[in-house]
Amino acid sequence: GAVVSQHPSWVICKSGTSVKIECRSLDFQATTMFWYRQFPKQSLMLMATSNEGSKATYEQGVEKDKFLINHASLTLSTLTVTSAHPEDSSFYICSARGGQPQETQYFGPGTRLLVL
Amino acid sequence: GQNIDQPTEMTATEGAIVQINCTYQTSGFNGLFWYQQHAGEAPTFLSYNVLDGLEEKGRFSSFLSRSKGYSYLLLKELQMKDSASYLCAPMDSNYQLIWGAGTKLIIKP
Repeated sequence: GAVVSQHPSWVICKSGTSVKIECRSLDFQATTMFWYRQFPKQSLMLMATSNEGSKATYEQGVEKDKFLINHASLTLSTLTVTSAHPEDSSFYICSARGGQPQETQYFGPGTRLLVL
Repeated sequence: GQNIDQPTEMTATEGAIVQINCTYQTSGFNGLFWYQQHAGEAPTFLSYNVLDGLEEKGRFSSFLSRSKGYSYLLLKELQMKDSASYLCAPMDSNYQLIWGAGTKLIIKP
């Protein structure tokens, strides 16, 4: 149980385009979903927290107009990187909370984004 | 402020036992998680401690002392596949996980 999927796993795009990443909890309802970014050999950096049906809460320094988050249902959240630039190239990972133990965040497999 | 202190890197031998220590300071406390992260992959959940004491789960055990702000992850019968980073992540009063850089564990034959 507590499986989280993420799609796509790899994205290569041109600078200026937008990229959408989907995160799904497959066997539990996720009351809260989280979006992280991780650069090589660095710690996880929380970008935003989203609850189903409400606006996401963004961490300081994360541009909400650039990283659009939609949490439309208890099993799906999406992150859209708008007008991507090379500096947005990173490993984006979502996590979902709502399985057991109750407060545990279960992570998706991550999405590698490369902006050319 | 909130911070986590773990060794940056540890080396152990296949078949042996290793203990990874973690000390933390958080604004409030709602438990502590251990995650395993292989290079290039997302973290996977290992354990959750909210009360003091030892939680055992197969080859892995996790210990918590809330008064000391201290936890450890104990790995027994080490296997080559245990080579990974191990992340100690306490949860603060807002139920947010606090992340450090983790401990990179290298297993040698």
